[in-house]
Amino acid sequence: SQTIHQWPATLVQPVGSPLSLECTVEGTSNPNLYWYRQAAGRGLQLLFYSVGIGQISSEVPQNLSASRPQDRQFILSSKKLLLSDSGFYLCAWSPRDSLYTFGSGTRLTVV
Amino acid sequence: GENVEQHPSTLSVQEGDSAVIKCTYSDSASNYFPWYKQELGKRPQLIIDIRSNVGEKKDQRIAVTLNKTAKHFSLHITETQPEDSAVYFCAASQWSNQFYFGTGTSLTVIP
Repeated sequence: SQTIHQWPATLVQPVGSPLSLECTVEGTSNPNLYWYRQAAGRGLQLLFYSVGIGQISSEVPQNLSASRPQDRQFILSSKKLLLSDSGFYLCAWSPRDSLYTFGSGTRLTVV
Repeated sequence: GENVEQHPSTLSVQEGDSAVIKCTYSDSASNYFPWYKQELGKRPQLIIDIRSNVGEKKDQRIAVTLNKTAKHFSLHITETQPEDSAVYFCAASQWSNQFYFGTGTSLTVIP
């Protein structure tokens, strides 16, 4: 069966520090991968999606970037975190024509 | 791109009553409409979905209706229970890729 792993679960980082969140999927190949952000009390904002290795699409301009170095690995990064980057980050995957499954999320607090 | 609006943002009902959450979408090409339930601090999880070739779908106490002409869809929860308390998100997509989420509805079921 397919599983999705996301880590870390929580992270407290100072302003200006770098960020790296990792997401991996097991039990499938060539999935679509997504990064979402959920600010406190708000909805799910699509940040990046990827349909294949090295293929990244960005939905909104921001201080973040994403990479997909391997088929089942999706990384969210920042060179210098801002206070406004705080939030709940969710990775998700889907087969080519089916529903999403979310990872367990990373709660990021930038201080 | 797609724009999904969701109402209400908060909803309180007495245990045993029904709850209805409504969403509208803008892109007539969207053909897949899932609903997710997110309990506090946890990942969103799919509870029900509907495709554009169906007008209504029911799963026990949960039902979803879709009006393609008006471009709106609704979640209906009957006989609500305290464990139904959560944030509910609607979403719209084409071919189950690149979901666009509503801003969420915080449902509170009062015992």
